[in-house]
Amino acid sequence: ETGVTQSPTHLIKTRGQQVTLRCSSQSGHNTVSWYQQALGQGPQFIFQYYREEENGRGNFPPRFSGLQFPNYSSELNVNALELDDSALYLCASSLPLSYEQYFGPGTRLTVT
Amino acid sequence: DQQVKQNSPSLSVQEGRISILNCDYTNSMFDYFLWYKKYPAEGPTFLISISSIKDKNEDGRFTVFLNKSAKHLSLHIVPSQPGDSAVYFCASNAGNNRKLIWGLGTSLAVNP
Repeated sequence: ETGVTQSPTHLIKTRGQQVTLRCSSQSGHNTVSWYQQALGQGPQFIFQYYREEENGRGNFPPRFSGLQFPNYSSELNVNALELDDSALYLCASSLPLSYEQYFGPGTRLTVT
Repeated sequence: DQQVKQNSPSLSVQEGRISILNCDYTNSMFDYFLWYKKYPAEGPTFLISISSIKDKNEDGRFTVFLNKSAKHLSLHIVPSQPGDSAVYFCASNAGNNRKLIWGLGTSLAVNP
């Protein structure tokens, strides 16, 4: 059984640029959630996708957007990057009726 | 405003002893709680969970206790092992999309 994978592992971008982060969910999981974890904080919920549609969103501006594909993999897009977007971005997959989410290793984004 | 609070940023215990990690929550609507362990440069790993209809759940060395009237839960690790050294996060569900609200984490160090 393949776990959750994310790419890239690390990324450095300049303020104002755009970035796309990718996630492959665990086999059999059709729900994907994205979280942002700043240093010294717990993960903050960005949004969740279920069957290719957004299924809930946290307090993040519209420049954070996402996609889910028919194979349940997902992308997180961030436009007009700001310095405060520097964080670890975590993807988690789960079964639709389960509270238990399984996380990938994360993508460390640095905005300079 | 932290809805899930882990008031101890760090905890140090001797190998073989009990580790007790605490978590408080403010929202009485929360009805499912999870504990995750996180090593540096890895995503959070699910450890154990508990539903609000129970007051205890046990899985090997890990036991979670829930006191609904006090809005408090705790994770007990017995016996503690050096490999348990990690950051432990308490999380709770919020809403129908199963998004998780997280505490800030407690860094556990188990000394040989």
